[in-house]
Amino acid sequence: EAQVTQNPRYLITVTGKKLTVTCSQNMNHEYMSWYRQDPGLGLRQIYYSMNVEVTDKGDVPEGYKVSRKEKRNFPLILESPSPNQTSLYFCASSSRQGRAGANVLTFGAGSRLTVL
Amino acid sequence: AQKVTQAQTEISVVEKEDVTLDCVYETRDTTYYLFWYKQPPSGELVFLIRRNSFDEQNEISGRYSWNFQKSTSSFNFTITASQVVDSAVYFCAPFPNAGNNRKLIWGLGTSLAVNP
Repeated sequence: EAQVTQNPRYLITVTGKKLTVTCSQNMNHEYMSWYRQDPGLGLRQIYYSMNVEVTDKGDVPEGYKVSRKEKRNFPLILESPSPNQTSLYFCASSSRQGRAGANVLTFGAGSRLTVL
Repeated sequence: AQKVTQAQTEISVVEKEDVTLDCVYETRDTTYYLFWYKQPPSGELVFLIRRNSFDEQNEISGRYSWNFQKSTSSFNFTITASQVVDSAVYFCAPFPNAGNNRKLIWGLGTSLAVNP
């Protein structure tokens, strides 16, 4: 089954404790992206990756890091989480985006993160 | 600047009523794509439709239909004979097809509650 898998789905952590949210897709998609969803603010893009070893900042990158060493994986790293990073996070993937076209995003199920 | 507006924050209807969700995309671009995504209470984001700005034909898929009018920059979504399972947040997301900022621009969503 074609899917985007995120882990963990739920996490409660404390300020400053590094954490990684993993994202993996099995569709051989070039493009991957992380979003956060907050009430009243909608979906905001954190980082995206056009392909392996190519990553770029989205609209709200502060406090996050990403890497794209393999095509299928795009982990989101919070080096020193803070309470304002409490949110619902989504990973998404598609075939090429941007200048190459507007392709349909497939989303993961979401990861609800609480930072105390 | 491009701006997407989903003016209806929340809509509540009774089952079997028809309901229309509004989306207005203000842009000077002549070409773009328009997407709708659905987020049911379970939380995942599900693709519904993608249309090209060149195509103003209405689209119908079962009980769902979409009406795109370029002159008014509107891409409205109608559910006919609504059902409880249609309860979800619906997002309109334009994708500019010109310039450097080629990525989805997310509306804030319309929360639809269909009551039995």
